[in-house]
Amino acid sequence: GEDVEQSLFLSVREGDSSVINCTYTDSSSTYLYWYKQEPGAGLQLLTYIFSNMDMKQDQRLTVLLNKKDKHLSLRIADTQTGDSAIYFCAEPFTGGGNKLTFGTGTQLKVEL
Amino acid sequence: SQTIHQWPATLVQPVGSPLSLECTVEGTSNPNLYWYRQAAGRGLQLLFYSIGIGQISSEVPQNLSASRPQDRQFILSSKKLLLSDSGFYLCAWSPGTGKNEQFFGPGTRLTVL
Repeated sequence: GEDVEQSLFLSVREGDSSVINCTYTDSSSTYLYWYKQEPGAGLQLLTYIFSNMDMKQDQRLTVLLNKKDKHLSLRIADTQTGDSAIYFCAEPFTGGGNKLTFGTGTQLKVEL
Repeated sequence: SQTIHQWPATLVQPVGSPLSLECTVEGTSNPNLYWYRQAAGRGLQLLFYSIGIGQISSEVPQNLSASRPQDRQFILSSKKLLLSDSGFYLCAWSPGTGKNEQFFGPGTRLTVL
């Protein structure tokens, strides 16, 4: 089956903006999610966007959605060392059943 | 507010020994519950999910089993561990509403030697 795709690594300088990209699979997905995983911890739900929106902003986080291209991005403004983590996008499983399909994860490294 | 607990946090077990990992959720009722395994700190593999007491769906054939003896308790078990069972095990819950959002526990790091 198709995978939810993300680039594996991203390195940015502290204070710069980070943009993490995701290509999902199902154009009918209603909600799309971004999760953050710090080392040795569980996943934390960061934000989500409903499919009838093309942008959502929440403090330093901006989510952009391009339904035509099935492309989702997460922009982190003024990136801090505490933002270093793995970021996962997720969409509802196409087969239903209250499951999510997660992307491969993008490891964000913030350098001083 | 809702919280999700997992224990133990870390576990080192010999090959062939049994396993029992526990997950409990507080502050909600009739949640959907999920067990994931994360290998090599990256991709998540859904192992089991449950929509109610005694209702378990297995996603992949494996050496593990799951049970849900109470509404907010989810247990992952094995009778005989294999080396390949090592990994980071995550429990999650979902309210089961249209948004499908899931909330994760802190995880259990299992090392099989």
